[in-house]
Amino acid sequence: DGGITQSPKYLFRKEGQNVTLSCEQNLNHDAMYWYRQDPGQGLRLIYYSQIVNDFQKGDIAEGYSVSREKKESFPLTVTSAQKNPTAFYLCASSISISYNEQFFGPGTRLTVL
Amino acid sequence: AQTVTQSQPEMSVQEAETVTLSCTYDTSENNYYLFWYKQPPSRQMILVIRQEAYKQQNATENRFSVNFQKAAKSFSLKISDSQLGDTAMYFCALGYGANSKLTFGKGITLSVRP
Repeated sequence: DGGITQSPKYLFRKEGQNVTLSCEQNLNHDAMYWYRQDPGQGLRLIYYSQIVNDFQKGDIAEGYSVSREKKESFPLTVTSAQKNPTAFYLCASSISISYNEQFFGPGTRLTVL
Repeated sequence: AQTVTQSQPEMSVQEAETVTLSCTYDTSENNYYLFWYKQPPSRQMILVIRQEAYKQQNATENRFSVNFQKAAKSFSLKISDSQLGDTAMYFCALGYGANSKLTFGKGITLSVRP
């Protein structure tokens, strides 16, 4: 089955540690996205990538980093510089940057203790 | 800048009845798309319906339909014959042109009562 996988579903880290969230897709989509969801805030864009080896900052990129070495993978690193990292993180993909419809993974709940 | 506003934080509807969820938006673009996404308790985001701004005809998908009022910049979602499985958070989203970044509203929590 084609789709987007995110692992793990729940992640716990100590304050001050970097943590990497995984996102893999087998839909052959060019564009991939990372969103953060907080209660009452909707979804806010962290980073997006139009193509391999290219990515752009979204609205709330501070304290986060990404890489896009393979078409299928778009991992997100939450660094110690992110002041409030506890949140639900969603990864999405679309056929291309010019095709608006996005497909989402199941999400990762990150809790920083 | 694009904005999407969902002013109702919560709504409740009796099973089998009809409910309408409101969304307004603002954009200076002429070529854009509007979406409703559903997020059930599992938190998996699911696309419900999509509307291209250049199309005058309102989109429909089974029990889901939209009322797209371009001049008023309004995009409401009507759910007919509500089912318990419709209980979820619903997000309105706006995308445009060659840039498929989506702007999301804050969402509305819909509860369907048995």
